[in-house]
Order: sequence, then structure tokens, then C-alpha cells
Amino acid sequence: AAGVIQSPRHLIKEKRETATLKCYPIPRHDTVYWYQQGPGQDPQFLISFYEKMQSDKGSIPDRFSAQQFSDYHSELNMSSLELGDSALYFCASSLGSGVVVGYEQYFGPGTRLTVT
Amino acid sequence: QKEVEQNSGPLSVPEGAIASLNCTYSDRGSQSFFWYRQYSGKSPELIMSIYSNGDKEDGRFTAQLNKASQYVSLLIRDSQPSDSATYLCAVCIGTSYGKLTFGQGTILTVHP
Repeated sequence: AAGVIQSPRHLIKEKRETATLKCYPIPRHDTVYWYQQGPGQDPQFLISFYEKMQSDKGSIPDRFSAQQFSDYHSELNMSSLELGDSALYFCASSLGSGVVVGYEQYFGPGTRLTVT
Repeated sequence: QKEVEQNSGPLSVPEGAIASLNCTYSDRGSQSFFWYRQYSGKSPELIMSIYSNGDKEDGRFTAQLNKASQYVSLLIRDSQPSDSATYLCAVCIGTSYGKLTFGQGTILTVHP
């Protein structure tokens, strides 16, 4: 079965540079979520989109922005990168956005971002 | 107090035994609960979702939910060395259906 696709898988950037991470959800899935996982930590929710509209927002720095496009893929744009941004960035997708309950989220393989 | 807490572990069980993983959550209004497995350096893999009180079984895995006690657990029967991983409890806290809040994870080691 097709899974969530993320690109690139690895990214090395210097401080103050910008980075763009891409996410292609499972076919027919219309909701995309972004999570950040630092070393030894649990994943932290950043932001989500349903039908190209932002549906929920977590602890996403103002330096980060994201959007979902008409084909449902999503991009996370990160500017003025800091050393502390080094982490695994996961995208997840679901079919539908929860109104009464949360829907099952399926995670992509992640992008490992290293800021030097 | 963290919104989602798991027993700290690590948990070590012999092959073939039952592994029991526990999780508590703070918001009594939470309705959606998930268990994920994560191997080192890999992405979380969904094991099971549970929404109603009681047990839900899928193969060797059984999730148990008790909303009155704000408690959710995962039992792994006939544990295999390949089950060795970090198990993450995830909850949609309150009415935040669009995001998962994770516990800190329990490291499980199944030894032959």
C-alpha cells in the first residue's frame, strides 16, 4: 500500500539559511499534519491542514510556515534556521479531519534536518 | 504534569511473555487514543486506535481504555524480539481532534 512520502530524507543547512520540506500524503487522504521530534523526545505537533486550510496549530515558531496545495501535498518552510531546529520532521496524513473524534494518522519516513 | 504520561520503563520481557504498557492522560474530555511503535531513527507506526471504553483486539495486540480512570493500556501477547521498540501513547487532548499529544514513550526490550 502507498505510504506518505517525504522529501528530502536528509538535509544539512547552516544557521540563518532556509529549508523547505515536502510531504505527499497517502492517496485520497486530505489532511496533513507536521510534527517535530528532537533527539530523545516525543513528537511535537506543529501544524495541520484540511482541504488546503489550516485546521490546527501547535508550537510552530513564527519562522516556520506551511501550506497545503490543491493536490493535497504540503510544504513546510523554515527560515532563519537555528541550531535548535535540528530534528526529525515527520509528516502524517489522514482521511478526513476529525470533528467528533481524531482520525488515524499515518506517518511518513521523516526528514532529518541538521543545522550547523 | 504532562498531558499524556507513560510508565517510564524501560520494560524488559522474555520472548513469548505478555508485555503490558500503560498510559494516563489529563483531560477527561479526551475521546481518541492511539498506540504507535517507533524503532530507533524511524517514524511512528500506528498499531491501534481506540475510542470506546473496553478492550479492542488486533492480532497479538489488545488496547484497553478506561475513560473514568483516564487510563489506556496496550498488551502485547507472545512478545517477539522484533517487538523491541519504543511504544508511544498518543491522545487527541480534549477537543483537539486535529493533533496528537504523545507520551514520552516506553522502551520495550524482548529478550530471547
